[in-house]
Amino acid sequence: AQSVAQPEDQVNVAEGNPLTVKCTYSVSGNPYLFWYVQYPNRGLQFLLKYITGDNLVKGSYGFEAEFNKSQTSFHLKKPSALVSDSAWYFCAVRDNRGGSYIPTFGRGTSLIVHP
Amino acid sequence: GAGVSQSPSNKVTEKGKDVELRCDPISGHTALYWYRQSLGQGLEFLIYFQGNSAPDKSGLPSDRFSAERTGGSVSTLTIQRTQQEDSAVYLCASSQLSPEAFFGQGTRLTVV
Repeated sequence: AQSVAQPEDQVNVAEGNPLTVKCTYSVSGNPYLFWYVQYPNRGLQFLLKYITGDNLVKGSYGFEAEFNKSQTSFHLKKPSALVSDSAWYFCAVRDNRGGSYIPTFGRGTSLIVHP
Repeated sequence: GAGVSQSPSNKVTEKGKDVELRCDPISGHTALYWYRQSLGQGLEFLIYFQGNSAPDKSGLPSDRFSAERTGGSVSTLTIQRTQQEDSAVYLCASSQLSPEAFFGQGTRLTVV
């Protein structure tokens, strides 16, 4: 079984400050990890992924995420938040062993960036 | 097309009626997923198609829900005898060799 937890329903940050959106996961094997962003009345837009290799992954719009195997975490970060980053963020996990190709998503975190 | 296309974008239906939701995946993508997104509930997996293999239907919530994929491309999700709890946004995604899935804009279904 695989699962994802996003412990914060909402994250508030001031524009220009660093932001972190938390994600922890559980899989039987090794994980493929993803972050998606959802703007109002839109589908999910892919931001970045961890497959293997460097634990720090860089993605779109200046976002990055750090894979921590010992803590089973994959937190999303950005050094300087923009008001336009305000959206819902979803973490997802997939077991990279053959036979499970279906990503499991977290409940999402609402990021609000204040001017 | 350039991305995953879903139609209609919005659908209002009366309780008890059947509805069909359509998904056009990215050309060449062999994997296709349907998810349901309810307010505050995150994404709930419904069904997964991969090429010509039998679909994984393990997420379908009841036998009122069914889906098919014709010719390995377009998919239709059908909900029979709709109930108010079926109201949600239905999201379709597709993927090919890369592990990440690419989503359409979704169909917002409202059952009144």
